[in-house]
Amino acid sequence: QQPVQSPQAVILREGEDAVINCSSSKALYSVHWYRQKHGEAPVFLMILLKGGEQKGHEKISASFNEKKQQSSLYLTASQLSYSGTYFCGTAAGNKLTFGGGTRVLVKP
Amino acid sequence: GAVVSQHPSRVICKSGTSVKIECRSLDFQATTMFWYRQFPKQSLMLMATSNEGSKATYEQGVEKDKFLINHASLTLSTLTVTSAHPEDSSFYICSARDSGQVSNQPQHFGDGTRLSIL
Repeated sequence: QQPVQSPQAVILREGEDAVINCSSSKALYSVHWYRQKHGEAPVFLMILLKGGEQKGHEKISASFNEKKQQSSLYLTASQLSYSGTYFCGTAAGNKLTFGGGTRVLVKP
Repeated sequence: GAVVSQHPSRVICKSGTSVKIECRSLDFQATTMFWYRQFPKQSLMLMATSNEGSKATYEQGVEKDKFLINHASLTLSTLTVTSAHPEDSSFYICSARDSGQVSNQPQHFGDGTRLSIL
């Protein structure tokens, strides 16, 4: 079952912060985060494996709450290069299921 | 890092044509590769899991005879869209992981193939 992402879209000014949420109706063992630029393939950002674990990529960090079956991605002091669509992915068996995506636009 | 190469990047062809898309892992071996389809402004939908040396596993609703998958070696998987029609137009992306399990290893994506059927 597809994880649910929110918000669907967000517009930021350069330097502002944003949070993207990903929740699942099923128990989560890990959450993946990817960013996709228009017309390109998704690029891996990070995997969160343990409950409450936080990871970082540039000024992008994420947390994972196993109990709540959700993960959040934090865009801090956003840069123009952060624009794109962010997908969370949850693993079940041998495959990864992606959320609906959150479109992020960072304006100067 | 792990690199996945996908070709061609763009195909425009007439209805009824069969189109083959290649996905290669360049610097690692991939016993499993994944094929996704993505419509504009939508998420990546898994079509099938390609298994080296055995039959692919298709997701519900994906026609096996329409989307033929061959994973003949540890570095190459191919997706053939047979007798393509305009409704098959989409962005097709393959991915692979270097080793380990899906849960703890990143997926490495090819650059995608934009298929347009006239």
